[in-house]
Amino acid sequence: DAKTTQPPSMDCAEGRAANLPCNHSTISGNEYVYWYRQIHSQGPQYIIHGLKNNETNEMASLIITEDRKSSTLILPHATLRDTAVYYCIAPSYNTDKLIFGTGTRLQVFP
Amino acid sequence: EPEVTQTPSHQVTQMGQEVILRCVPISNHLYFYWYRQILGQKVEFLVSFYNNEISEKSEIFDDQFSVERPDGSNFTLKIRSTKLEDSAMYFCASTGLATRGTQYFGPGTRLLVL
Repeated sequence: DAKTTQPPSMDCAEGRAANLPCNHSTISGNEYVYWYRQIHSQGPQYIIHGLKNNETNEMASLIITEDRKSSTLILPHATLRDTAVYYCIAPSYNTDKLIFGTGTRLQVFP
Repeated sequence: EPEVTQTPSHQVTQMGQEVILRCVPISNHLYFYWYRQILGQKVEFLVSFYNNEISEKSEIFDDQFSVERPDGSNFTLKIRSTKLEDSAMYFCASTGLATRGTQYFGPGTRLLVL
């Protein structure tokens, strides 16, 4: 798996965009970037994934740099319920296993 | 929206006892996983399962652990002789044939070994 590096914590005001960065400089050309989050002690929740192009779904947007060495998860209008630990994961192409690091703890405040 | 379900939500057992944790994956999924999270620590991969056999397992998944898909809907994790250090949240996940990094997790079973 490509090593990923994320800031340990971030704050965001409710209603504002939350931009969560991730470095994955050792990622290979065929390895996807996945984002998950874990709210308190619940099961991890899949958010979005991408390979090269920017992606958007109902939860978030994913911006991947052209060199693919970093990405940013964007929650366009953060709510209090988005308070969670966010994980950026880049599994090897030949494995299913997800290796969770320590992630970024996002605190959304009123 | 389909969900992965897990039972029980909490289980307390004595050291040395066998436990079986149960999961019902999303119905059309074919790849199944178990992860665990010791309190305050990272989520750790245990095992992946496809076509009725283990496809990958971690070092944690030793001979005390086994997995089974006894019928078309359930996926179980058995711990034969529990140890204190097995106390953790155990999460089941599943995915379909698309990118297998897109895994859908259940709510977990909190196992406490006394």
